[in-house]
Amino acid sequence: KAGVTQTPRYLIKTRGQQVTLSCSPISGHRSVSWYQQTPGQGLQFLFEYFSETQRNKGNFPGRFSGRQFSNSRSEMNVSTLELGDSALYLCASSKIIQGPNTEAFFGQGTRLTVV
Amino acid sequence: QKEVEQDPGPLSVPEGAIVSLNCTYSNSAFQYFMWYRQYSRKGPELLMYTYSSGNKEDGRFTAQVDKSSKYISLFIRDSQPSDSATYLCAMFLSGGYNKLIFGAGTRLAVHP
Repeated sequence: KAGVTQTPRYLIKTRGQQVTLSCSPISGHRSVSWYQQTPGQGLQFLFEYFSETQRNKGNFPGRFSGRQFSNSRSEMNVSTLELGDSALYLCASSKIIQGPNTEAFFGQGTRLTVV
Repeated sequence: QKEVEQDPGPLSVPEGAIVSLNCTYSNSAFQYFMWYRQYSRKGPELLMYTYSSGNKEDGRFTAQVDKSSKYISLFIRDSQPSDSATYLCAMFLSGGYNKLIFGAGTRLAVHP
């Protein structure tokens, strides 16, 4: 079956712009989580959506937002981009809300470069 | 101080060596411990998952948890070049604010 699909794979934006990233989860999965991965900080949790509702949120500023549609596809938006937002953004899908017994499947990520 | 500390490496070993990867953590509320493997240009994939202190084996991989020392390890026996990847430890914190917290990842290179 198809895995988690993230688009686009690569993106270059200018400081101050905004960007929208997309994630299509595995068919039947209703939870989508977003992570930011950088060499210095590693993988950091942004937020999780389940049934179109944000269920959990990490410690990121309000410039980072997301939403989930009725078909479970999710989008993440970053406004007023800063150089420090350059990172690999990963989404992970799971059947139910992320929990200790829930395996999350990751997409290949979107590499965002802010110049 | 980060909640989860992991040496980023890189770690370079010859084929067939035993590899030891480690993480320490500060929050005793962490209940579940995982290891993910991430190949270059790919997303992480779950390798092993454990709950209690002790060892858990899966083929050439052994996950070890010592909750009293807040220390977890992943051992890879008979390492292969195909094991070359970044290994991330992750810990699950539940109780009203479920979230996975990852270590920075250790880059491993196994050379023939």
